[in-house]
Amino acid sequence: NAGVTQTPKFQVLKTGQSMTLQCAQDMNHNSMYWYRQDPGMGLRLIYYSASEGTTDKGEVPNGYNVSRLNKREFSLRLESAAPSQTSVYFCASSEKGGRDYGYTFGSGTRLTVV
Amino acid sequence: QKEVEQNSGPLSVPEGAIASLNCTYSDRVSQSFFWYRQYSGKSPELIMSIYSNGDKEDGRFTAQLNKASQYVSLLIRDSQPSDSATYLCAVGSPPGSARQLTFGSGTQLTVLP
Repeated sequence: NAGVTQTPKFQVLKTGQSMTLQCAQDMNHNSMYWYRQDPGMGLRLIYYSASEGTTDKGEVPNGYNVSRLNKREFSLRLESAAPSQTSVYFCASSEKGGRDYGYTFGSGTRLTVV
Repeated sequence: QKEVEQNSGPLSVPEGAIASLNCTYSDRVSQSFFWYRQYSGKSPELIMSIYSNGDKEDGRFTAQLNKASQYVSLLIRDSQPSDSATYLCAVGSPPGSARQLTFGSGTQLTVLP
């Protein structure tokens, strides 16, 4: 039971390059999320998908796009990477229903933009 | 803008002591509250959730919620060196909306042997 799988684990990009971070979950969860984590800033929501076929902006969406490919997969794309996007990126998923929707996180992608 | 504030730390306690972690939140309609533990270089893992005023106990962990004061806390009894980590408080969005969590910046806890 893999849970939430993120790829790649590490990436170094040059300014202006593009890349896609992949996320897949095998728990049949409806909702998926992308967060970034910076020192002293906590986790900040970039985009989320409440259910298959829907996506919405979070707190810090600028410079990113997302695709909910199917129920399992939710990808995050950086079209033109900037040094300010150097961060650790976490994908998470949760089941819809009631108040108990604690997230399950992937292992993270450590991205450096030079 | 929803805000979640945590005591900034870092917090150091001796082994066997009680560690107390605090969190306040700004959105009065929030109904779901979570504590996550994050070891250095790892992803957050859920350790406690609480939805009603009062205390909720799970092993050595007790979560406390006071909605009137907009305050959530986590107590760790008989602290162990393995409890050394950053603890993140998270507050859920109101019912009926997409289930987003807003996180505090975390409190780093060190348990000294």
